[in-house]
Parts: sequence; C-alpha cells; structure tokens
Amino acid sequence: RKEVEQDPGPFNVPEGATVAFNCTYSNSASQSFFWYRQDCRKEPKLLMSVYSSGNEDGRFTAQLNRASQYISLLIRDSKLSDSATYLCVVNIANYGQNFVFGPGTRLSVLP
Amino acid sequence: DAMVIQNPRYQVTQFGKPVTLSCSQTLNHNVMYWYQQKSSQAPKLLFHYYDKDFNNEADTPDNFQSRRPNTSFCFLDIRSPGLGDAAMYLCATSRDGGFEKLFFGSGTQLSVL
Repeated sequence: RKEVEQDPGPFNVPEGATVAFNCTYSNSASQSFFWYRQDCRKEPKLLMSVYSSGNEDGRFTAQLNRASQYISLLIRDSKLSDSATYLCVVNIANYGQNFVFGPGTRLSVLP
Repeated sequence: DAMVIQNPRYQVTQFGKPVTLSCSQTLNHNVMYWYQQKSSQAPKLLFHYYDKDFNNEADTPDNFQSRRPNTSFCFLDIRSPGLGDAAMYLCATSRDGGFEKLFFGSGTQLSVL
C-alpha cells in the first residue's frame, strides 16, 4: 500500500462546479499535512496547510480526519484558473524531515 | 522577497556529459532537498541536507551526487546523464520541525540528447 494515496482523476468539471479531492495516508505518525497545486511544467506551490480543526481560504476548504487518516480538499465555484494538479503532501517528521507526496489529482475546469 | 532560486530554468546536455544544477535560498532554512519529477508523476526525493548532514534515499542512483558548500547553496551533479534522467529537477527548502512547509524553486527542466 502506498504511503499517500489520492483520487486517481482526472476530474473534468464545468466552471462554477464544486469539486472534492480525497487523500489517505498510511503512517499514523504523520504530523503535518498540505495541499500543493502544480501547474504544467511549473513547481508545486503551497495551496493550504491542513489543520485538525479544518480550515478555509476563500473558495477552498481543507479537512483532516486523523482517526481515519484522511484529508480532503473542497473547491467551490471552480474557475478556469483552478485547472492544475493537486498534490497531497504529508510530513512524517518523526523520521527527520520526510515529506511524502501523493501521486496527484489532475483537475480540468471547462468553460 | 525571500525565495528559492534555481538555475538554469532549462538545461540541455548530451548523453554521458556531466551536468550541474544549482539552487540557492535566502530563507535561511536548514533543510534543503532535491527532487526529480517526471511527466505525470509526483516529485521523487533524491536526497536532502539537514544542515551539513547529507541524507541519500536508498534508491537514488550513484550517478546523482550533491554538494552543499554553505547554508544558502546546494548543487546537484549528474555524473553521466542517461536518457532516463531527463526530468524536472526541483530544489526545495524547509525549516526543521514537524509542522514546517516545503518551499520550492522554479525547477530546472533537464533534457538529455
């Protein structure tokens, strides 16, 4: 079983749609959690850190369920500019700094 | 602005010809990483430095080496590039600690002819 798994995608959604991505992780010692966004041929950029209480940033909402070892990202009112690959990243810091990446989920928002 | 800078943005080398990629940071982070990313795949960690301590991933080929002469700079040396080494190479930094984030440079896209 992979350490971090994500919805395989791709997701093709119309503008204005709400879309949710799921991520699961296997190491219960994981300490911190992030969603990164990566455009084609560009570097990953931090979208959001994910906190235990859940957090929201504009149209984006992230949730963490430590008991189920599950992370989610909800995008409301999708824009064309949201088209990208979304990477779930987990830091298993008990072993030094150890950021583990999920395989990514590709989102295409269609006009 | 504090940042992670990679040069060059695009690098073309010949099969078997050594190549060096560079990374610098103004964030004063003590941890620096090199990732390899191939098309449609997640970044794959090659190695990282915790201050001066070098940590190699078990499956990183010997063909890949790294140097960190000081806190700000880190280099990736590919001694004999093969066609399979064509990829995006990403440098990243973080502070120590369990709740720190990764900060990426813009990457170097390496082509091997």
